[in-house]
Amino acid sequence: EPEVTQTPSHQVTQMGQEVILRCVPISNHLYFYWYRQILGQKVEFLVSFYNNEISEKSEIFDDQFSVERPDGSNFTLKIRSTKLEDSAMYFCASSNRDRSSYEQYFGPGTRLTVT
Amino acid sequence: RKEVEQDPGPFNVPEGATVAFNCTYSNSASQSFFWYRQDCRKEPKLLMSVYSSGNEDGRFTAQLNRASQYISLLIRDSKLSDSATYLCVGGSGGSYIPTFGRGTSLIVHP
Repeated sequence: EPEVTQTPSHQVTQMGQEVILRCVPISNHLYFYWYRQILGQKVEFLVSFYNNEISEKSEIFDDQFSVERPDGSNFTLKIRSTKLEDSAMYFCASSNRDRSSYEQYFGPGTRLTVT
Repeated sequence: RKEVEQDPGPFNVPEGATVAFNCTYSNSASQSFFWYRQDCRKEPKLLMSVYSSGNEDGRFTAQLNRASQYISLLIRDSKLSDSATYLCVGGSGGSYIPTFGRGTSLIVHP
């Protein structure tokens, strides 16, 4: 069964450093998403991406964040200058339906720890 | 602010029991609703969509009540493996930004 993969599974970085989180969505999916979940809190939407551009973004997705689909398979989230409060689990998701559908398939997540 | 609210629980039930969760949403323009399941420290996994006419999949039944702005999930004949956190997700009106609830914890014991 096809699945979304994410690397690394755990990333530790120092405050102020840049990190890139990587995702490989399901191959025939066209819509891609990033979410974060701070430990013990709810899943929060960051950004959606379709046709090589951002479709929607939340208030959390400020200038520190960027997304890219550098090739036909990878989808990346970059955090330019990490802060302590960026520590969270970051989930990538993909779907093959339009943005009104949330039948999304999530990757296993990257746990980001900022020290 | 558009919110989706859930009772965090935990709901502690014996195997074989029937359990129901509700989820309320504040945005009356919300169009799409889903239930996801999340095991501890794992990713959310789609459980089922919630259609206006209701949706049943085996032991699971989801319903939408637009008048009262809530959705429900009913689990019949609970199994130990049903123990997880159940997340309610609603579409956030015209912007289509999905809003997750904090989740309801279910513990099924022998």
